[in-house]
Amino acid sequence: RKEVEQDPGPFNVPEGATVAFNCTYSNSASQSFFWYRQDCRKEPKLLMSVYSSGNEDGRFTAQLNRASQYISLLIRDSKLSDSATYLCVVTSHTGGFKTIFGAGTRLFVKA
Amino acid sequence: DAGVTQSPTHLIKTRGQHVTLRCSPISGHKSVSWYQQVLGQGPQFIFQYYEKEERGRGNFPDRFSARQFPNYSSELNVNALLLGDSALYLCASSSAGAGTEKLFFGSGTQLSVL
Repeated sequence: RKEVEQDPGPFNVPEGATVAFNCTYSNSASQSFFWYRQDCRKEPKLLMSVYSSGNEDGRFTAQLNRASQYISLLIRDSKLSDSATYLCVVTSHTGGFKTIFGAGTRLFVKA
Repeated sequence: DAGVTQSPTHLIKTRGQHVTLRCSPISGHKSVSWYQQVLGQGPQFIFQYYEKEERGRGNFPDRFSARQFPNYSSELNVNALLLGDSALYLCASSSAGAGTEKLFFGSGTQLSVL
């Protein structure tokens, strides 16, 4: 089992749609959680951190459920510019420090 | 201010050779981490260094090694290259290396092993 698993995608949605991405992690001792965005042939960039209380940044909402070891990202009112790969990221200090990326979920937003 | 810089941007090597990739973090950042990304996959964690000490290592063979210098720049070395080492190698820097802060990535080094 992979340490971080994401919806395989790709997701093809029209502009204005709401889309949700899911992510699960296997290490219950994981400490920090993030969503990164990666455009084609570019480096990953932080989209948002994820907190147990849930957090929102404009059209983006992230949720963390530690009991279920589950992370989600909701994008409302999708824009063409949201087309990218979304990477779920988990850090842990078990047996040394690690930053684990999921395989990513590709999103295509169509006009 | 300059972002994370990596060199070279592209590299072609043959099997069995070794390669050294370089990374300069953002000024003031003391932590550097290295990742391998193959097409269609997320970045795979290789190493993290903080204040010149290794703090974490991913599931990579001993052919992969790294170090961090007093100026916080870093090198990733790969010996006895295999075809499967062909990938984009990304370096990221962060302020404290605690795992709670934002990672800033360089544009990467594209390594092709023939």
